[in-house]
Amino acid sequence: ETGVTQTPRHLVMGMTNKKSLKCEQHLGHNAMYWYKQSAKKPLELMFVYNFKEQTENNSVPSRFSPECPNSSHLFLHLHTLQPEDSALYLCASSPQGQGVNEKLFFGSGTQLSVL
Amino acid sequence: ILNVEQSPQSLHVQEGDSTNFTCSFPSSNFYALHWYRWETAKSPEALFVMTLNGDEKKKGRISATLNTKEGYSYLYIKGSQPEDSATYLCAFPKAGYALNFGKGTSLLVTP
Repeated sequence: ETGVTQTPRHLVMGMTNKKSLKCEQHLGHNAMYWYKQSAKKPLELMFVYNFKEQTENNSVPSRFSPECPNSSHLFLHLHTLQPEDSALYLCASSPQGQGVNEKLFFGSGTQLSVL
Repeated sequence: ILNVEQSPQSLHVQEGDSTNFTCSFPSSNFYALHWYRWETAKSPEALFVMTLNGDEKKKGRISATLNTKEGYSYLYIKGSQPEDSATYLCAFPKAGYALNFGKGTSLLVTP
């Protein structure tokens, strides 16, 4: 148990659907992240939030819309996705988000399939 | 090297063997080097964060070394056990501090 919980664990959606991924951390951290793991590719950073403010958007298409209502919760809203967006989406948190020494604490991920 | 590169891509050893793998990273503008272990169906878990040239970290049978001048880190596992089977990731923070990961080395230890 890492203290970072992601739901759902698995999600299948059509290209016209709208769905949301949820992440919650119980570690008192102030930074939260979305990463994407596609087949045979490294973990790819999508978004970073520090103290609820988005500090990094790694050129992610607008069909992915993050939301961070507070330091403990992070959402990824999905709409009109493409089959190539099928991947494992991992959420992570870290204490401050501004230290290169900070370890990331990951959730177990949401395995997304877009049909 | 512009990004993190790991080798080998996969490794299969027998229980009791010692093994090691490599992470290469840009040697300029070095901040820190992270190692993570990712077991199947679990979350990636931080092993080490290394910041100083010549740094050596140890956690049980796993250890890591760092050479920032030449841009590489080695991860060693002594006396591999089946429970060591996992993907080992290294990561390098670029400007902005967010981690950029390598593709990982997938280790399988068989009895």
